[in-house]
Amino acid sequence: QITLKESGPTLVKPTQTLTLTCTFSGFSLSTSGVGVGWIRQPPGKAREWLALIYWDDDKRYSPSLKSRLTITKYTSKNQVVLTMTNMDPVDTGTYYCAHRGGDSAFDIWGQGTMVTVSS
Amino acid sequence: EIVLTQSPDFQSVTPKEKVTITCRASQSIGSSLHWYQQKPDQSPKLLIKYASQSFSGVPSRFSGSGSGTDFTLTINSLEAEDAATYYCHQSSSFPYTFGQGTKLEIK
Repeated sequence: QITLKESGPTLVKPTQTLTLTCTFSGFSLSTSGVGVGWIRQPPGKAREWLALIYWDDDKRYSPSLKSRLTITKYTSKNQVVLTMTNMDPVDTGTYYCAHRGGDSAFDIWGQGTMVTVSS
Repeated sequence: EIVLTQSPDFQSVTPKEKVTITCRASQSIGSSLHWYQQKPDQSPKLLIKYASQSFSGVPSRFSGSGSGTDFTLTINSLEAEDAATYYCHQSSSFPYTFGQGTKLEIK
């Protein structure tokens, strides 16, 4: 059974760096075709894909946020870490990590973690 | 960036009714279109992948169709537990994008 869980701060100040950790079980990020993605949803707005890391360490980022994002995998720890620099109140929202199997759909999602950016 | 536009934004329906939700892409995405369901305080759940392939464990009343730019999610014989927000997602090209969502209310 695949499970994922996001963890990190619930409140960050403007200009600070957000670090979110996705801890997963039931799969390995060393398996060919597997990936873990990050998606967020600001309150009352549409979901926004942020980043994706593949089993072979290939990384993809949202072009609009690429300069602020870094995604890293720690295969032996079954974790994927997303950092976002220079946080702004508009970055407030629920952040999800999700499993990407052999195809390109996100088939299993974490429960999400709410992040508020406020001074 | 590929824009996905869903319709309607909101629909109020009665149990056993048939529901159709559409998702239109701003350019052709082949069949790389997926449908998710999200209930309040729950994480999103994959219903349909690649336009028409049912994900494991999804009730048979959920089906998908379409290719290119126009896609449809159909819920046959709606049940009360289907009250949720449904949204589409394309993985044809980066950046991945999502539709704005369709909220289904059960009367």
